[in-house]
Amino acid sequence: EAQVTQNPRYLITVTGKKLTVTCSQNMNHEYMSWYRQDPGLGLRQIYYSMNVEVTDKGDVPEGYKVSRKEKRNFPLILESPSPNQTSLYFCASSLARRTSGNFYEQYFGPGTRLTVT
Amino acid sequence: AQSVTQLDSQVPVFEEAPVELRCNYSSSVSVYLFWYVQYPNQGLQLLLKYLSGSTLVKGINGFEAEFNKSQTSFHLRKPSVHISDTAEYFCAVSGRTGANNLFFGTGTRLTVIP
Repeated sequence: EAQVTQNPRYLITVTGKKLTVTCSQNMNHEYMSWYRQDPGLGLRQIYYSMNVEVTDKGDVPEGYKVSRKEKRNFPLILESPSPNQTSLYFCASSLARRTSGNFYEQYFGPGTRLTVT
Repeated sequence: AQSVTQLDSQVPVFEEAPVELRCNYSSSVSVYLFWYVQYPNQGLQLLLKYLSGSTLVKGINGFEAEFNKSQTSFHLRKPSVHISDTAEYFCAVSGRTGANNLFFGTGTRLTVIP
């Protein structure tokens, strides 16, 4: 089954304790992205990746890191989490656009609810 | 850059009544437009999309949306809602060039009242 998986689904942690949220897709997609969802703010993009070893900042990258060493995985790293990073996080993937005008649907993972105390 | 404004944060509506959720977008380039639905405690599901062609697009669960270029709007409609339509709805936009990034609105919580 084609899917995007995220782990863990729920995480409660303390300020300053490094954590990683994993994202994996089995569709051979080049493009992957991380979003955070907050009440009243919708979804905002944190980082995205167009292919292996190619990453770029989204709208809210502060406090986050990503890496793309393999095509299927795109982990989100919080080196020193703070309470303002308490949020619902979504990973998404799609084929990467190479020609202007092409559309590729993004497939979303189930979400990771992170609480930082 | 692109941005999306969803004008209503909450929309209560009685069961079997019609509903319209409003969405306006801003972009300096041509765009694709989307509506996503998020049921309670679930992930995002694509409801419908406008890529090109007919400005009236139909999606799943009886929803439809109309693209209006002159008003830069993409409002979502359903003629008769059900209890099961209670969810949060997000309008999103993506440029037709460059990276496949989605820009979301702040969401509209639709509550269907029995």
